[in-house]
Amino acid sequence: EIVLTQSPATLSLSPGERATLSCRASQSVSSYLAWYQQKPGQAPRLLIYDASNRATGIPARFSGSGSGTDYTLTISSLEPEDFAVYYCQQRSNWPLTFGPGTKVDIK
Amino acid sequence: QVQLVESGGGVVQPGRSLRLSCAASGFTFSSYGMHWVRQAPGKGLEWVAFISSDGNNKYYADSVKGRFTISRDNSKKTLYVQMNSLRAEDTAVYYCARDIGMDIWGQGTTVTVSS
Repeated sequence: EIVLTQSPATLSLSPGERATLSCRASQSVSSYLAWYQQKPGQAPRLLIYDASNRATGIPARFSGSGSGTDYTLTISSLEPEDFAVYYCQQRSNWPLTFGPGTKVDIK
Repeated sequence: QVQLVESGGGVVQPGRSLRLSCAASGFTFSSYGMHWVRQAPGKGLEWVAFISSDGNNKYYADSVKGRFTISRDNSKKTLYVQMNSLRAEDTAVYYCARDIGMDIWGQGTTVTVSS
């Protein structure tokens, strides 16, 4: 099973700041890495698929990068609605796995 | 619009069974693989199972293998998961999600396993 590790666990930032979230895999996931946003009481929402492709309707301030075992989600300038928990997930191997999440909260 | 709606959750005793459903609308259900993903209270996301568009390929998390069965009825545009031998640790919100990329999610249905 591929284990995903996310860092930091919590990121405290102010609106307008840049957020950089990391996801590291225990082995290469060959860019089959997605990022999801989840707000309290809501279902997750797909942000990025295959490491760097924005999903439909996702604002350009969200971007993904990385390859092999190391991936990054960047939010260029935080909007009030971006404070949430972010999960990475790999679809390179079965079973699919999620990272433990990074909470982005207001400083 | 594209929508997934889960149902069938509830409170069930340990060792009992429950079947969840996920009704799809707004897209060609038979063209997409489908997942079940769950989230225990206050915890992260856990992938549970996947079924291919034609139902011929199924994959399970080790935590549910042998107890849960994923299935689909393309004529009814509905995804199912039959959950047997339920345990307290199966308590979670269960979501269905579309396609290998999980691009569309339902709102979830809550399963509580408790005596």
